Amino acid sequence: KAGVTQTPRYLIKTRGQQVTLSCSPISGHRSVSWYQQTPGQGLQFLFEYFSETQRNKGNFPGRFSGRQFSNSRSEMNVSTLELGDSALYLCASSLAWGGQPQHFGDGTRLSIL
Amino acid sequence: AQTVTQSQPEMSVQEAETVTLSCTYDTSESNYYLFWYKQPPSRQMILVIRQEAYKQQNATENRFSVNFQKAAKSFSLKISDSQLGDTAMYFCAFISEGGSQGNLIFGKGTKLSVKP
Repeated sequence: KAGVTQTPRYLIKTRGQQVTLSCSPISGHRSVSWYQQTPGQGLQFLFEYFSETQRNKGNFPGRFSGRQFSNSRSEMNVSTLELGDSALYLCASSLAWGGQPQHFGDGTRLSIL
Repeated sequence: AQTVTQSQPEMSVQEAETVTLSCTYDTSESNYYLFWYKQPPSRQMILVIRQEAYKQQNATENRFSVNFQKAAKSFSLKISDSQLGDTAMYFCAFISEGGSQGNLIFGKGTKLSVKP
């Protein structure tokens, strides 16, 4: 069974640009959560999607958004990139809304120049 | 608000020895889950072990076991017969039961080095 797949693995952007990250959950998993990991703040929850609806949201500005498709694949978008958005973005999937455990992908490393 | 604290930023252990990583948490919830995740340099977050708060029995997974003290809000991880492949960041994580709190809260992590 394939694990959680995140693409791309690495991204380099400049300030002011926008970026879209993709996450394909484990087959049969319907919930997708996104986390940001930085050396200073550690791992922080961004949002969770289930049945194409955002069910829960962390304390991030509106520049961070996401969506989920009918096949449970999810994308997150960051607009007007700032230097502080440089981070490892991790996606995790689980069977159901709030379901445990969550299984993580390898992450997308985003660097802002 | 729930918090998770890992008081040991770094630890090291000799191969084949036993090491214990500490974690404390704060919550007013009665039903929740606790996890230990491992993140090697390859950066994938790997689930090591999970514990349901309503279960009194401590979880074990092969060489990994936990000491769950609900009243003390403590959740430590014991790694027996440490192997070089155990070298990684270890994160303790908490989540309330139910969809309304569907996000994991992580500690800052403990960097474990296993030395030959």
